[in-house]
Amino acid sequence: QKEVEQDPGPLSVPEGAIVSLNCTYSNSAFQYFMWYRQYSRKGPELLMYTYSSGNKEDGRFTAQVDKSSKYISLFIRDSQPSDSATYLCAMRPRNQGGKLIFGQGTELSVKP
Amino acid sequence: EPEVTQTPSHQVTQMGQEVILRCVPISNHLYFYWYRQILGQKVEFLVSFYNNEISEKSEIFDDQFSVERPDGSNFTLKIRSTKLEDSAMYFCASGPLSGDTQYFGPGTRLTVL
Repeated sequence: QKEVEQDPGPLSVPEGAIVSLNCTYSNSAFQYFMWYRQYSRKGPELLMYTYSSGNKEDGRFTAQVDKSSKYISLFIRDSQPSDSATYLCAMRPRNQGGKLIFGQGTELSVKP
Repeated sequence: EPEVTQTPSHQVTQMGQEVILRCVPISNHLYFYWYRQILGQKVEFLVSFYNNEISEKSEIFDDQFSVERPDGSNFTLKIRSTKLEDSAMYFCASGPLSGDTQYFGPGTRLTVL
């Protein structure tokens, strides 16, 4: 079983839709969870960061972590064409400064 | 807003040649990382660096690879004898004292011919 699994998509939605992106993981030691956005041939850009279980909201973005199910989600409300990118989940154990384990990334396209 | 910078943006080299990829992390960060992403694949961890020494490295980071922080601002990745399979995007990242998050640079695209 892969440590982090993410549906690569592609996912295509109309402008204004609510988007749900998800990752599952197998390592119960993961404590820190991040979502990055990556435009084509660019570096990952940190969108959201959460520690342990719960929800975190930032503008149109909501990150959700369910450690009991080993499942994390990113919701994008009122999606815009500029949200079209690949979304990467990443996570790591508790050790300070530890390496990130990434998912495959989900390619999202928001159509005007 | 402070950001991680990387040079060059694209490096083309012949197999067997040495390359040095350069990074300037965010100035008050203490954790430094190199990752790579082969086209169409996941972002993979290579090495982490803290307090002037390697804190963790992956199986990929073999004797052909080395890292250095030659001064207070730069962080470099050297590949001694490049192979075709080293062709990838190489990302530098840095993290603050808390070690919680990591901020990535724009990447260097390495092409080995």
